Amino acid sequence: AQSVSQHNHHVILSEAASLELGCNYSYGGTVNLFWYVQYPGQHLQLLLKYFSGDPLVKGIKGFEAEFIKSKFSFNLRKPSVQWSDTAEYFCAVNVAGTYKYIFGTGTRLKVLA
Amino acid sequence: EAGVVQSPRYKIIEKKQPVAFWCNPISGHNTLYWYRQNLGQGPELLIRYENEEAVDDSQLPKDRFSAERLKGVDSTLKIQPAELGDSAVYLCASSLSAGNGRDTQYFGPGTRLTVL
Repeated sequence: AQSVSQHNHHVILSEAASLELGCNYSYGGTVNLFWYVQYPGQHLQLLLKYFSGDPLVKGIKGFEAEFIKSKFSFNLRKPSVQWSDTAEYFCAVNVAGTYKYIFGTGTRLKVLA
Repeated sequence: EAGVVQSPRYKIIEKKQPVAFWCNPISGHNTLYWYRQNLGQGPELLIRYENEEAVDDSQLPKDRFSAERLKGVDSTLKIQPAELGDSAVYLCASSLSAGNGRDTQYFGPGTRLTVL
């Protein structure tokens, strides 16, 4: 069965620090990849997505993610985090051609002002 | 544009009681999803609708869970009877249904269910 792993469950950073959140999936075929974010008290919303083409995708609020097919990874990055980035981040994988979405367990990020 | 609306936001019931959750998707979105999110976990799909048709309910515990989407718009998810293990956040999401799994899903605020 397909699975998505987010190894960092809790991350604490100071403002201006760089961020990288890991996401690995187990599926050998074509996938569509997503990062969703849930700010405190708000609902889940899309941060960025990758379907094909340039493996480095840019999303909202300065976030980017890199798809490395050989590593089955889709890590999320931001060069300099802000206090307002405090949230929970979920990686999700869709098996291409299906509507099956698998979410990771999430990473809680806390940014200290 | 209004987002996905869910009600109630919170529900506390005793075990063996019935409970129902309601979802109103974004206007024009044909695809509707119900997810369950347990504490410390990511959302897990329970059922997906394409218009009024349930096209994927393989993860729905059919002995106690039921869902409907009359007229292909609003949807209701029901649990009867509820068990302690049903305590979770129930999320509704909708999408335009691009037909290739590349949809952006728009999530509602969820209903936090506590079963005592």
